[in-house]
Amino acid sequence: AQSVAQPEDQVNVAEGNPLTVKCTYSVSGNPYLFWYVQYPNRGLQFLLKYITGDNLVKGSYGFEAEFNKSQTSFHLKKPSALVSDSALYFCAVRDILYNFNKFYFGSGTKLNVKP
Amino acid sequence: DGGITQSPKYLFRKEGQNVTLSCEQNLNHDAMYWYRQDPGQGLRLIYYSQIVNDFQKGDIAEGYSVSREKKESFPLTVTSAQKNPTAFYLCASSKTGDYGDEQYFGPGTRLTVT
Repeated sequence: AQSVAQPEDQVNVAEGNPLTVKCTYSVSGNPYLFWYVQYPNRGLQFLLKYITGDNLVKGSYGFEAEFNKSQTSFHLKKPSALVSDSALYFCAVRDILYNFNKFYFGSGTKLNVKP
Repeated sequence: DGGITQSPKYLFRKEGQNVTLSCEQNLNHDAMYWYRQDPGQGLRLIYYSQIVNDFQKGDIAEGYSVSREKKESFPLTVTSAQKNPTAFYLCASSKTGDYGDEQYFGPGTRLTVT
């Protein structure tokens, strides 16, 4: 079965420091990977995705993610965190092998950026 | 504006009553989804539909029902059989012909049943 895992429930970082939110995946076939952000009482907003090509993908709000096939990881990164980045982050994978309309989400990581 | 709308934003019901949550999209997407989110937790798939007049159960379909009579609309009914219906409900849509396309989410409906 396709799945993603976010090993950290919460990540704390000081404003201005780099941040990393971890995601590992387990898929059959090529992985189609996504990151979303959710602010309180809101829907999910798309940040970035990896489909093919460069392992480093850039997305919205200065976020980027590094795809690592050997480690089956897709970690979300930002060079300098802002307090406004505090939110819930979800990693997801699209099932393109068995049911390409189905997405699998990680459990979410709460990012706290302190001033 | 293109997007997904969910209404109402907040919904209160008495236990034992059925309630229907609305989801409409004008993105011309074939696939639509309903997720449930409990406090501090991830998303759990309730139902999804890949085309009009067709839908599949997700991981937690018991106590829920859906219909897909129009491409733009995918309403979710929370029935009295759902044991613990209080939650945040998210609707989403996606293209079906493009594997690389992401899901687009609505703003959510917070349902409280007492």
